[in-house]
Amino acid sequence: NAGVTQTPKFQVLKTGQSMTLQCAQDMNHEYMSWYRQDPGMGLRLIHYSVGAGITDQGEVPNGYNVSRSTTEDFPLRLLSAAPSQTSVYFCASSYGTGGAEQYFGPGTRLTVT
Amino acid sequence: QKEVEQDPGPLSVPEGAIVSLNCTYSNSAFQYFMWYRQYSRKGPELLMYTYSSGNKEDGRFTAQVDKSSKYISLFIRDSQPSDSATYLCAMSAERDDKIIFGKGTRLHILP
Repeated sequence: NAGVTQTPKFQVLKTGQSMTLQCAQDMNHEYMSWYRQDPGMGLRLIHYSVGAGITDQGEVPNGYNVSRSTTEDFPLRLLSAAPSQTSVYFCASSYGTGGAEQYFGPGTRLTVT
Repeated sequence: QKEVEQDPGPLSVPEGAIVSLNCTYSNSAFQYFMWYRQYSRKGPELLMYTYSSGNKEDGRFTAQVDKSSKYISLFIRDSQPSDSATYLCAMSAERDDKIIFGKGTRLHILP
């Protein structure tokens, strides 16, 4: 199993540009989530999904959209990038419909100039 | 008061020492407790997962939960330089709940 994969690994955007961060898992996990990690702030939940077709907001959802059309994929869209969205983004997945025992991807480092 | 508090460190200890990492929390409903290890520029990886109070041991790692004090600990015995990483505690009230992370403690094991 590849586990949780994320692309791209690195990305530089200009303010106002949009992009999609890709996340895929091959473990047939129902629960998937997106976090951002900033120095001194820890991991903060952006959006999560408990199964295909179901998404919900986390702690810091503004400026981000998600969709879950398949069990395997959970892309994160930045609608109009802002410098405040400069961060490291992690996708994670877990068994069941909750966040316990999550497996994380390697992360995407995003810089918005 | 933040829901989960964790000293950011850095914590530097000599190789072979016993390391103690701790988190405190305020929500008495938490009953699922996790420790994640994160190496520099990598994603967090689940290290230990415990339910309710008590101890759980896995090799050199022991997780301890004291719900009466709202305090959890991770002990690392015979610490190695390869244990140098950031350790994040995490917890949830129900298994299917969102989990709340601590901000992580940076650990350096000195050879």
